[in-house]
Amino acid sequence: GAVVSQHPSWVICKSGTSVKIECRSLDFQATTMFWYRQFPKQSLMLMATSNEGSKATYEQGVEKDKFLINHASLTLSTLTVTSAHPEDSSFYICSGDRGQDSPLHFGNGTRLTVT
Amino acid sequence: QKEVEQNSGPLSVPEGAIASLNCTYSDRGSQSFFWYRQYSGKSPELIMSIYSNGDKEDGRFTAQLNKASQYVSLLIRDSQPSDSATYLCAVNRKTSYDKVIFGPGTSLSVIP
Repeated sequence: GAVVSQHPSWVICKSGTSVKIECRSLDFQATTMFWYRQFPKQSLMLMATSNEGSKATYEQGVEKDKFLINHASLTLSTLTVTSAHPEDSSFYICSGDRGQDSPLHFGNGTRLTVT
Repeated sequence: QKEVEQNSGPLSVPEGAIASLNCTYSDRGSQSFFWYRQYSGKSPELIMSIYSNGDKEDGRFTAQLNKASQYVSLLIRDSQPSDSATYLCAVNRKTSYDKVIFGPGTSLSVIP
């Protein structure tokens, strides 16, 4: 199956700082990548769809200026949480889209804790 | 109405029994349906994908799809304690682009 690598797997940062999370598709080219967020005991919530070479599409209620997405190549998308606050503490998971209704394969996720 | 709904659980079954997980979705135009398993603190892993009405079997897992009823299910035969996890139903709600929406998940506990 498709391999997606996500880095870092966990990060602790201070309130007000920014954190960058990388998502790489290792064995396929991903024109589209998805970023999800999962709070404890809740399901995955789609935050944004990252499109290579163009602006990301954000879901309703997700602040695009706070969650900066860059998809500069077919194998790399990054999510930067800017001016992080404790309420941003969550499990962030990315996935690459292989298209043609293929299922999503996820990276291992990044657990962000903002103190 | 939520886009993807699942029986909330938690669901407890004895080891060796059949676990039945249900999912309904609201967008009649959806084409692709997936079941994922998620262990606590881990990323979801794909169990099954199904695209056509009927049953699809893979080992101990059987997915069932009924597009007319907008219903997807997952049966786990001969349940094992290692099957204890949260099961997520996901639907590719095609609009102008692919958009995979997840249900809230059903927590399954298999009792030895």
